[in-house]
Amino acid sequence: DGGITQSPKYLFRKEGQNVTLSCEQNLNHDAMYWYRQDPGQGLRLIYYSQIVNDFQKGDIAEGYSVSREKKESFPLTVTSAQKNPTAFYLCASKGTGSSRREKLFFGSGTQLSVL
Amino acid sequence: DAKTTQPPSMDCAEGRAANLPCNHSTISGNEYVYWYRQIHSQGPQYIIHGLKNNETNEMASLIITEDRKSSTLILPHATLRDTAVYYCSPNAGGTSYGKLTFGQGTILTVHP
Repeated sequence: DGGITQSPKYLFRKEGQNVTLSCEQNLNHDAMYWYRQDPGQGLRLIYYSQIVNDFQKGDIAEGYSVSREKKESFPLTVTSAQKNPTAFYLCASKGTGSSRREKLFFGSGTQLSVL
Repeated sequence: DAKTTQPPSMDCAEGRAANLPCNHSTISGNEYVYWYRQIHSQGPQYIIHGLKNNETNEMASLIITEDRKSSTLILPHATLRDTAVYYCSPNAGGTSYGKLTFGQGTILTVHP
């Protein structure tokens, strides 16, 4: 079945450490997104990519980095510059065809905590 | 960026209709309204979308005002499993593939 997979489900980061969250999709979608969710809060956009080898900052990109070397993969690195990384991270993808029925597909999320 | 306003929380009795409002007064003429819901600790899932006509599918109905500045998601017979956070977005779908954003969402609690 086609879908979007995030791993790991739980991740722990030590002080000063960079960690990378994986996001893979086999839906042949061009666009991919990373969102951060804090307890009781909505979804805030970190980075997004509309096509391979291109990505744009969202509303809260500071302390994060991404790459888009392959269409199906959009990993997110939480760097040591992100001072409050504890959150639930969601990856999503969407087709970019002419249909107005393209909807976002989300992964099941990664919970990142600081040790 | 298009902005949305939703009530932070709502309650509903099981078996009754749940009506969740959303204000999207800055929506552009060609932007669809999309609704998603998120059950605790899972990724959001698509529910329904519409442009200017009312829409219905197996999950819900969507009523969009004539001026398109607001919409209401209707769950006609709410069940306990409908307890979730509901998000509306004027750009989280369709041909929009740039900066797709969400508001704070509404926490719907369905009571027995």
